[in-house]
This record gives sequence, structure tokens and C-alpha cells, in this order.
Amino acid sequence: DAGVTQSPTHLIKTRGQQVTLRCSPKSGHDTVSWYQQALGQGPQFIFQYYEEEERQRGNFPDRFSGHQFPNYSSELNVNALLLGDSALYLCASSGTGAAHEQFFGPGTRLTVL
Amino acid sequence: DAKTTQPPSMDCAEGRAANLPCNHSTISGNEYVYWYRQIHSQGPQYIIHGLKNNETNEMASLIITEDRKSSTLILPHATLRDTAVYYCIVRVAENIYNQGGKLIFGQGTELSVKP
Repeated sequence: DAGVTQSPTHLIKTRGQQVTLRCSPKSGHDTVSWYQQALGQGPQFIFQYYEEEERQRGNFPDRFSGHQFPNYSSELNVNALLLGDSALYLCASSGTGAAHEQFFGPGTRLTVL
Repeated sequence: DAKTTQPPSMDCAEGRAANLPCNHSTISGNEYVYWYRQIHSQGPQYIIHGLKNNETNEMASLIITEDRKSSTLILPHATLRDTAVYYCIVRVAENIYNQGGKLIFGQGTELSVKP
């Protein structure tokens, strides 16, 4: 049973570019959350998707957008990249309802030059 | 902002119990306490969660005070592989049924298990 997978593992972009990160949830999970983790900090919640809709959103600008597909996989898009967007981007999946346990993927390391 | 306060770092001898404290004095009645850990460069790993009662699983025990304002994660026999950053999180539920809900991470406690 595969856990949460993310692609790519690493990515280097330049300021102003756009990036798309991908996440496949754990089998049987239908809810996907995205987090940003800057170096030396705890993860910060970006948004959560359920039934192909954004259910909750953290304090991130509109440059950060997402999508969930019918197979529950998800994408995180960031437009007009800034140097401060350099971080580890984590995807977490959970099941319907109480969804107590969120399973995290290994993350995508984004570097903006 | 995180709703929890943890010491930035702790040391523990291998084979001994590691007791990691957490303060969450503003916790609401329907909010759960969660513990995750993150080993360097990996995604966070779920450890345990609780609402009011003490909880135990194969990884750890969670002791929650009666007033729910603080809790302690106990790793009964710490090993070198338990060296990680441990996060105490109060989960903000989306609704009264504790569905959905984002995890708000603080800075965590960096636990070093030493031989």
C-alpha cells in the first residue's frame, strides 16, 4: 500500500516563474492538505481540498492555488514566485469524517533563485 | 499562531523514558491534542492524539491534565532513531463533529537521544 507520494522531489525556479507541485494521497483517503515549511520552522497550513473543493485556507496570498481531481490527487500551483517561496512543500492526506490522522508525504523542496 | 508552547530542545539518554511537555492553556472543549514528529528532511509522522483521557499506542503515551491546559508525550524507551523534532498541535476542527481541520504547527521540541 503506497503512502502519500509527491513529485517532483526537488525543483529550482527563478523569480516570477510559476510552479506546479503534485500529490497522490494514500489509498482510501479523499482529503488532501498542503503545508509550507520554511527552513528551521514548523509547517504552515496552506489549504485543504475535499470533494474537489477548497474546504479551508490558511493565511497565504492568492498566488497560491490548488486543485483536486476526481481520483483525489491534488496539485499546488504558485504564480509569480518570490525568493521567500523557497521552502519544503508538504502534502498530507486523510480519510473522510473525523480524519484524525494526517499522513504526510516526503515533500517537494522548492528553491527560488 | 500556534496554540501550543513547547521547550525548544531536550536531551534524553538512550533506553530511558523521554517526557516531552506541552502547554495549551487556551484549548477549547472540542479541540484535540495531537503529536507529530519530524525526522530531518522527512515529512511529519503522526504519533498519537487525545481529547480528555490518557492514550497509549505502540509508539507512545499521551498524558493530558484534567484541566486540559497541558499534556506530556512519553516515549517509554527512547532509541537513537527517536531523535527528531516533536510537534504538539491543537487541531482546529472545521465543525462540531471534528471533521476536516487544519494542523497548526509551532516550533516544536528538538529531542536528541544520546548513547
